[in-house]
Amino acid sequence: DQQVKQNSPSLSVQEGRISILNCDYTNSMFDYFLWYKKYPAEGPTFLISISSIKDKNEDGRFTVFLNKSAKHLSLHIVPSQPGDSAVYFCAARSMTGRRALTFGSGTRLQVQP
Amino acid sequence: DAGVTQSPTHLIKTRGQQVTLRCSPISGHKSVSWYQQVLGQGPQFIFQYYEKEERGRGNFPDRFSARQFPNYSSELNVNALLLGDSALYLCASSPGLAAQETQYFGPGTRLLVL
Repeated sequence: DQQVKQNSPSLSVQEGRISILNCDYTNSMFDYFLWYKKYPAEGPTFLISISSIKDKNEDGRFTVFLNKSAKHLSLHIVPSQPGDSAVYFCAARSMTGRRALTFGSGTRLQVQP
Repeated sequence: DAGVTQSPTHLIKTRGQQVTLRCSPISGHKSVSWYQQVLGQGPQFIFQYYEKEERGRGNFPDRFSARQFPNYSSELNVNALLLGDSALYLCASSPGLAAQETQYFGPGTRLLVL
């Protein structure tokens, strides 16, 4: 039972355009969400997070939106750069329960120069 | 400052053998978590330790065990290896167990079981 789903295995965008990566979750106990980026042969690198009391969080070129009623979040990268090409993982956890992260299966982003 | 370090980087074992993976957290971090990432999937939680005590366990068999040392480093042990244990094993550290703390990952140990 996948509690965090990333339904798009891959995404290709042109340099300078917007990249939108989507994530859905089913567990209503999740109230803290994170995005990680992973390059080959490296561990996941933390990008940005959002708690359920907010619906938007911004950090430079990265913005995460949370729609609690739809149990959906998205990561926007504007403008996209070739160095953003990586696998992006959405992760979730409950702030009151176990601190372990539940990950989606990832979306591979390719930014074309 | 050094990030999370893991050793070894790569490992090849045969079925039935035992393996020990090691992790050193970021300086000052007292919590270590272990994850297994199989090809094509996201990381799956195995264990979390804080102050040398197990604070969480994922849905993994008893062949998997771990411990944390007084210096907060950690070991993950897997006994009676199966082909399906081939994966990237990731260690993550965080300062403690606060609700909004970020977990920082090491580069992982890639285990191949033949």
